[in-house]
Amino acid sequence: GAVVSQHPSRVICKSGTSVKIECRSLDFQATTMFWYRQFPKQSLMLMATSNEGSKATYEQGVEKDKFLINHASLTLSTLTVTSAHPEDSSFYICSAVGRHSYEQYFGPGTRLTVT
Amino acid sequence: SQELEQSPQSLIVQEGKNLTINCTSSKTLYGLYWYKQKYGEGLIFLMMLQKGGEEKSHEKITAKLDEKKQQSSLHITASQPSHAGIYLCGADPGGATNKLIFGTGTLLAVQP
Repeated sequence: GAVVSQHPSRVICKSGTSVKIECRSLDFQATTMFWYRQFPKQSLMLMATSNEGSKATYEQGVEKDKFLINHASLTLSTLTVTSAHPEDSSFYICSAVGRHSYEQYFGPGTRLTVT
Repeated sequence: SQELEQSPQSLIVQEGKNLTINCTSSKTLYGLYWYKQKYGEGLIFLMMLQKGGEEKSHEKITAKLDEKKQQSSLHITASQPSHAGIYLCGADPGGATNKLIFGTGTLLAVQP
């Protein structure tokens, strides 16, 4: 089956620093990757859609300068949280969709804690 | 914009009991997905429904989509502790974007 990994699984950083989260499709080429954010005991909120080789499309209310997304290859997308603040602490999950497919395969998530 | 409401928000059942989780959409569903999530982990795909009146089963879990394609239910028969987790419905809002909008989630606990 299709496997998506995320790195790191957990990260703690200080306010004002930037953090990069990687999302990789291990055994298929992902033409599209999605980034979600999940607050405790809440559902997933779509942040942005990332297409390989083009700029990401951000959902309403998501700051593109705050959450930088890069999808440089068909197997890797990165989310960089710039100048992180405690309110950015959350669980970030990515998903990937293969070519000619509609099914999303989800990564295991990254828990970000900003102190 | 499309919204998905799940009920109940949380559920505690005794092992062996049956249960149903509902997902109601504010708009017609083009595709309805059910996922399970363990706390702090990624999502596990359960089933996908597209046609009105469609029903799919896998092991002890059955998902249905109503004829009007605005409501789906997930039924678990003879629940086990391994069924515990967060159940999320997700919908394709249409427009060939492949993106999903998720429901509010249902937290299921199964007591041995």
